[in-house]
Amino acid sequence: KQEVTQIPAALSVPEGENLVLNCSFTDSAIYNLQWFRQDPGKGLTSLLLIQSSQREQTSGRLNASLDKSSGRSTLYIAASQPGDSATYLCAACTTSGTYKYIFGTGTRLKVLA
Amino acid sequence: GAVVSQHPSRVICKSGTSVKIECRSLDFQATTMFWYRQFPKKSLMLMATSNEGSKATYEQGVEKDKFLINHASLTLSTLTVTSAHPEDSSFYICSARRGQVKGEQYFGPGTRLTVT
Repeated sequence: KQEVTQIPAALSVPEGENLVLNCSFTDSAIYNLQWFRQDPGKGLTSLLLIQSSQREQTSGRLNASLDKSSGRSTLYIAASQPGDSATYLCAACTTSGTYKYIFGTGTRLKVLA
Repeated sequence: GAVVSQHPSRVICKSGTSVKIECRSLDFQATTMFWYRQFPKKSLMLMATSNEGSKATYEQGVEKDKFLINHASLTLSTLTVTSAHPEDSSFYICSARRGQVKGEQYFGPGTRLTVT
């Protein structure tokens, strides 16, 4: 059974720092992995999707990498801003059965002005 | 783009009543939709997979008689929380898969259920 964990659970940093959020999954047989942002009381915003055949994806100040063999993905946020404050979730799409997403435990990020 | 809507966005109901939440894919057909539940400050937990024209597949530990799922058309799935209790209060999010088994999934904005 796929399990997805994220470290750290919470992070508070001053504005301008470069950040690395970690995501680990126990079953390397994934179809893709997706990073989401969730603001308090709101739904999910998709940030980056990495297919299993890819190593990384970039969008603006965000870069996500994927190492299937070690069961890890990282989300790199460059030059963090207060507007980046949110909860970040990673989700691994399983290849068995219905290709469903299993979500990680989340990282609550606070960027201080 | 692919848009998924949920209705209502917020609902408050009394203990013992049933409440229905709709998930619609607005500009694509979805043979498969997924229902998630999120407790405060927790991650999303997959509840069930909703299949158009057939029975839903529930994850281990989810009561199928408590959480009724109907996927009556290619653009609509409904989740009915029957005989709701305060512990059912949660944020419910659906996603819809475009196309076949490996199609991309799009998430709805969520429904906040509060049972008093």
